[in-house]
Amino acid sequence: AQKVTQAQTEISVVEKEDVTLDCVYETRDTTYYLFWYKQPPSGELVFLIRRNSFDEQNEISGRYSWNFQKSTSSFNFTITASQVVDSAVYFCALSSGSARQLTFGSGTQLTVLP
Amino acid sequence: KAGVTQTPRYLIKTRGQQVTLSCSPISGHRSVSWYQQTPGQGLQFLFEYFSETQRNKGNFPGRFSGRQFSNSRSEMNVSTLELGDSALYLCASSLGTVLNTEAFFGQGTRLTVV
Repeated sequence: AQKVTQAQTEISVVEKEDVTLDCVYETRDTTYYLFWYKQPPSGELVFLIRRNSFDEQNEISGRYSWNFQKSTSSFNFTITASQVVDSAVYFCALSSGSARQLTFGSGTQLTVLP
Repeated sequence: KAGVTQTPRYLIKTRGQQVTLSCSPISGHRSVSWYQQTPGQGLQFLFEYFSETQRNKGNFPGRFSGRQFSNSRSEMNVSTLELGDSALYLCASSLGTVLNTEAFFGQGTRLTVV
């Protein structure tokens, strides 16, 4: 069985602050993929990033960065200089050979205040 | 390139009725997955179809069924609706299996059972 835990239910920050969303995962597979999705109020899940289990390099895309650490089974997401438009629910997800489906965490509601 | 299209966007049904939801994937995508999102249970996997074959099924009762057509469009059917079936139903399409390719989601169908 696989599991994704997002311990932070809600986070509120003031615009321009940096914010880190935590994600801890569990899987017995050695090959797996980790994802982050953003869900704005309109409802659709917007793909942000995919990482495979063999690539632990951190990644930066504009104001977004991701820190993947196998040793702690974590895949954290940082938004630098947050903006009001970043307000959304963010989901971390996991897929692996044995499960063949996306397993989502419970999501973190991020509110960026002006 | 058109995204994932789900119809209808909103539905209100009565307990005991049945409902069919439709999903048109991104052109060229052969995999369609369905997810149920509720405040209490979060995002849960329903099933995945690839080339008209169901490849994987989540832990849902037999009242939930689906199919995929030769043009990759998919339908999901829920029979004998219960109040607990009220949820946002999200469809995702991907080129290959969700194991290693990103899934693109539609805006969902919000089903309310009264």
